Amino acid sequence: SAVISQKPSRDICQRGTSLTIQCQVDSQVTMMFWYRQQPGQSLTLIATANQGSEATYESGFVIDKFPISRPNLTFSTLTVSNMSPEDSSIYLCSVEGGGYRSEQYFGPGTRLTVT
Amino acid sequence: GENVEQHPSTLSVQEGDSAVIKCTYSDSASNYFPWYKQELGKRPQLIIDIRSNVGEKKDQRIAVTLNKTAKHFSLHITETQPEDSAVYFCAASRTKAAGNKLTFGGGTRVLVKP
Repeated sequence: SAVISQKPSRDICQRGTSLTIQCQVDSQVTMMFWYRQQPGQSLTLIATANQGSEATYESGFVIDKFPISRPNLTFSTLTVSNMSPEDSSIYLCSVEGGGYRSEQYFGPGTRLTVT
Repeated sequence: GENVEQHPSTLSVQEGDSAVIKCTYSDSASNYFPWYKQELGKRPQLIIDIRSNVGEKKDQRIAVTLNKTAKHFSLHITETQPEDSAVYFCAASRTKAAGNKLTFGGGTRVLVKP
């Protein structure tokens, strides 16, 4: 499976500020996704990061709050904008296995705390 | 959209016993069902998956069964060991044409008591 890294691994931010999270994959992948995992909860898909076009957002998530970039097939960023304490979560990127395989593999996650 | 329900939310078993986690899904078009294990502070790890053209799949001590008619699938762990203690998530998705977006169940916290 692909090796996926995320930066930063964790951060503590003040409300009203923004944080950009990076996701780097060691091989080219077509599909990249961003998930949120609130404390003690399950994973919720924020958006699909499409290379060369705008991200596709799930219900309840908007581009102004979570702008996403996907400049190439190995990299994506997620920005959490105008943060509030409710944004405190783990943010994870994931990638598909490639080809006709459906397996998704997750990055190590970014633990965000908003004070 | 898809809705996945997972039961139980917590499960405590004695080492060596079996553990079963059940999930139901709502979208009859879903055709891919992975299971993830998440240890404390770690990323979710894919442990086994099943596609809609298969009824059962095994990998050593873990197995997954799928009942498409009833729209439910289950994870079975036999001969449980303390290292099986973790949170387990089921998920469901549709074909690649739909982008393979995973919808997760609520998770099951499994504790294996030595």
